Amino acid sequence: SQTIHQWPATLVQPVGSPLSLECTVEGTSNPNLYWYRQAAGRGLQLLFYSVGIGQISSEVPQNLSASRPQDRQFILSSKKLLLSDSGFYLCAWSVSEVKLFFGSGTQLSVL
Amino acid sequence: ELKVEQNPLFLSMQEGKNYTIYCNYSTTSDRLYWYRQDPGKSLESLFVLLSNGAVKQEGRLMASLDTKARLSTLHITAAVHDLSATYFCAVDVNSGYALNFGKGTSLLVTP
Repeated sequence: SQTIHQWPATLVQPVGSPLSLECTVEGTSNPNLYWYRQAAGRGLQLLFYSVGIGQISSEVPQNLSASRPQDRQFILSSKKLLLSDSGFYLCAWSVSEVKLFFGSGTQLSVL
Repeated sequence: ELKVEQNPLFLSMQEGKNYTIYCNYSTTSDRLYWYRQDPGKSLESLFVLLSNGAVKQEGRLMASLDTKARLSTLHITAAVHDLSATYFCAVDVNSGYALNFGKGTSLLVTP
């Protein structure tokens, strides 16, 4: 069966520090991968999605970036975090056009 | 730009009562998804609606889709406390590569 791993679960970082969140999927090949952010009291915002290795589409201009170095690995990064980067970050995958499966999420607090 | 609007955003209801959550979207789509999120947790897929007139039911929840009206409903029958959560609808408008989420409906079921 397919599983998705996302870490860390919680992260507290100072403003201006770098960020790296990692997500891996097991049990499937060539998944579509996504990063979503959920700010407090708001809905989910799609940040990036990838349909293959090295293929990244950005939905929202920001100081975040994403990379897909391997088929089932998706990384969210920042060189310098802003206060506004705080939120709940969710990785997700799909292999068809039907539905997304979400990871457990990372609660990021930028102080 | 696609807009997905849910209402109400907050709902407090007594156990045993019925209620409906509405999800309107602004552009043509025939794929709509409902997710549930418990506090501090990830999103769990509830329903996938793939065509006009689609109706899905599980337990006390029933979802329907009217693509002509660009409207989906999530109907709650005889609510119980375990249904307390935030419910999101999401619309697929990019050939399955991304979902646009509503802001969510926070449901609290009280005795």
